[in-house]
Amino acid sequence: DAGVIQSPRHEVTEMGQEVTLRCKPISGHNSLFWYRQTMMRGLELLIYFNNNVPIDDSGMPEDRFSAKMPNASFSTLKIQPSEPRDSAVYFCASSPLGGLGTDTQYFGPGTRLTVL
Amino acid sequence: ILNVEQSPQSLHVQEGDSTNFTCSFPSSNFYALHWYRWETAKSPEALFVMTLNGDEKKKGRISATLNTKEGYSYLYIKGSQPEDSATYLCAFKSNFGNEKLTFGTGTRLTIIP
Repeated sequence: DAGVIQSPRHEVTEMGQEVTLRCKPISGHNSLFWYRQTMMRGLELLIYFNNNVPIDDSGMPEDRFSAKMPNASFSTLKIQPSEPRDSAVYFCASSPLGGLGTDTQYFGPGTRLTVL
Repeated sequence: ILNVEQSPQSLHVQEGDSTNFTCSFPSSNFYALHWYRWETAKSPEALFVMTLNGDEKKKGRISATLNTKEGYSYLYIKGSQPEDSATYLCAFKSNFGNEKLTFGTGTRLTIIP
């Protein structure tokens, strides 16, 4: 299994531009999570999906952030317009069974976003 | 907002020595505690999931204990090796009914050869 796949691995953009991060979860996993990692706040959950449905988006910072999961094998996190304070590493993770809380989450390699 | 704290923030240990660090979490509404190991430039990898008070889990030289009544877990590493250098994260899952994990900020462990 290829694991969780994220693209791009690195993204450098200018303030005001739209940024789209992509994630392919492990095949057969029912839940998908988007996290943001910063020095100040550590690893924060932004949003998670179960069976392609958004369950908890309380961590999404503001309206500039949106996430979609059109099917079981693909999710996007979009920032529009981007700001320098959005610079961080964004991780996607998936877990197999869904809804149990004891499931291990498998993390992708992350996307390092720099907004100039 | 759930408070999950880890201490110390960073730790330097001589190769061969044993070490331990702490994760503190809310003692009410406990469901599960996860430990992850996060090497630099890689992604977090699961070590343990613990659910029962008094539980102890072991994987090689790494072990963890859980006290849900007082809200803490210890991670122990016996005979530290350079490859143990990583950030160790704990994550708390409450029993509020969804899968959300609240992560601590981690303990950054450096093993000195």
